[in-house]
Amino acid sequence: GQQLNQSPQSMFIQEGEDVSMNCTSSSIFNTWLWYKQDPGEGPVLLIALYKAGELTSNGRLTAQFGITRKDSFLNISASIPSDVGIYFCAGGGSNYKLTFGKGTLLTVNP
Amino acid sequence: KAGVTQTPRYLIKTRGQQVTLSCSPISGHRSVSWYQQTPGQGLQFLFEYFSETQRNKGNFPGRFSGRQFSNSRSEMNVSTLELGDSALYLCASSPPANTEAFFGQGTRLTVV
Repeated sequence: GQQLNQSPQSMFIQEGEDVSMNCTSSSIFNTWLWYKQDPGEGPVLLIALYKAGELTSNGRLTAQFGITRKDSFLNISASIPSDVGIYFCAGGGSNYKLTFGKGTLLTVNP
Repeated sequence: KAGVTQTPRYLIKTRGQQVTLSCSPISGHRSVSWYQQTPGQGLQFLFEYFSETQRNKGNFPGRFSGRQFSNSRSEMNVSTLELGDSALYLCASSPPANTEAFFGQGTRLTVV
C-alpha cells in the first residue's frame, strides 16, 4: 500500500527559531494535508493543498505541494511554546482515502 | 457548527469482550472514516463509510467492523478484544467530494 516518509521524527528547538519538516512518497497524491495533534486530542487540520506547486500560508505556517506530487513540506516561522505537538502530513488520493505519515514531534524550549 | 463528536472518551475493557464506539460527524458531512492510533504505528486507517456504505477498508482483521446510519452517524465495533487493541480510536468526517478530514477528540480504549 501507499506509504509516507515523514521527517524528521522529532525536533527540539528554541523559541523564535524556524522549523521545517517534510513528507515524501513513492506514490502520487491529489491532495496534501497538514495536521497538528496536541496530547489527548484529535488532529486539527492546519493547511490543505490541492495543486502541484501550490504554496499556502496560515499565519506563521507555510506549506507547499511538491511539483512531482510525491512530496510536501511544512515550515513554521518564529516558533512559540504553543507550537509544541505532533505534526502529521497526509496524502489524499482519488478514492477519498488519506494516508498519514508517522508524525514529527516538535518540542519548543522557551 | 458543532465539530465531530465521539463517545465515550475513555473506555476500559477486558480481553475477550467486545466494544462499540460512536461518532457523530459535522452536519452536512456524509463521509466518516475511522483510524487507530498507537505510539508505534501512528494513524492506521480502519475504514470509511459514505451514505451508509463502506467505501474504503484498511488492513485490519474482521474483528473490526463498522456501520453508518441514515443520519451519517457511525459506529465501529471490535469483537474479542485483545491487549494489542489498546489505542486511541479517531473518527473523522469529510465534506462532500473533498478529502479534508476533520477529527473528533477520539476514544481512548484500554484493554486489560
